[in-house]
Amino acid sequence: QSALTQPASVSGSPGQSITISCTGTSSDVGSYNLVSWYQQHPDKAPKLMIYEDSKRPSGVSNRFSGSKSGNTASLTISGLQAEDEADYYCCSYAGSSTLVFGGGTKLTVL
Amino acid sequence: QITLKESGPTLVKPTQTLTLTCTFSGFSLRTSGVSVGWIRQPPGKALEWLALTYWDDDKGYSPSLKSRLTITKDISENQVVLTMTNMDPVDTATYYCAHRENGAFDMWGQGIMVTVSP
Repeated sequence: QSALTQPASVSGSPGQSITISCTGTSSDVGSYNLVSWYQQHPDKAPKLMIYEDSKRPSGVSNRFSGSKSGNTASLTISGLQAEDEADYYCCSYAGSSTLVFGGGTKLTVL
Repeated sequence: QITLKESGPTLVKPTQTLTLTCTFSGFSLRTSGVSVGWIRQPPGKALEWLALTYWDDDKGYSPSLKSRLTITKDISENQVVLTMTNMDPVDTATYYCAHRENGAFDMWGQGIMVTVSP
């Protein structure tokens, strides 16, 4: 079971949109509608942003959206704001009661 | 309101066994679909899932750490305990427990920083 693959970093200017990819395999991302995304600011606990591939928890801005195609899930943030600058992690169910996280992506708002 | 809090030693020696306790409120581990998991994060590195315990007594462990981990629950005390044997300096990390429902960790504890050093 290998970590899901995310780009190490992405960046964008305020108001722009960015997309973070999360690539797994047919044994995890591609097999279950159970990809979740987490935002983590420095020295803080992660915060759930997207669950079940594309659902947004109550209280999370609709600027955050999730999607999936095959073995790759994506998180899109539209209308970038300074407070979106953080690390983002994807996570997928991998069968047999196991989970796997991605390596994380550092988002810089220019 | 769901809350979780991790407790345990912040310093352990190599080869020792680490025991961490997650004390939670606002939900029951008897509720169908609910689970509690442990996740760790070495300084400056990524999140790593460790273990899960489900409402139905099912359990899951990271394949790479399975031989060293044990997760148990005490429903009456609203606690989940993680033990990790044979600690090594590479296990130095912040350890989080989190509530999981609908396939995601929707509430997290504040984390506990554990250092492994002689």
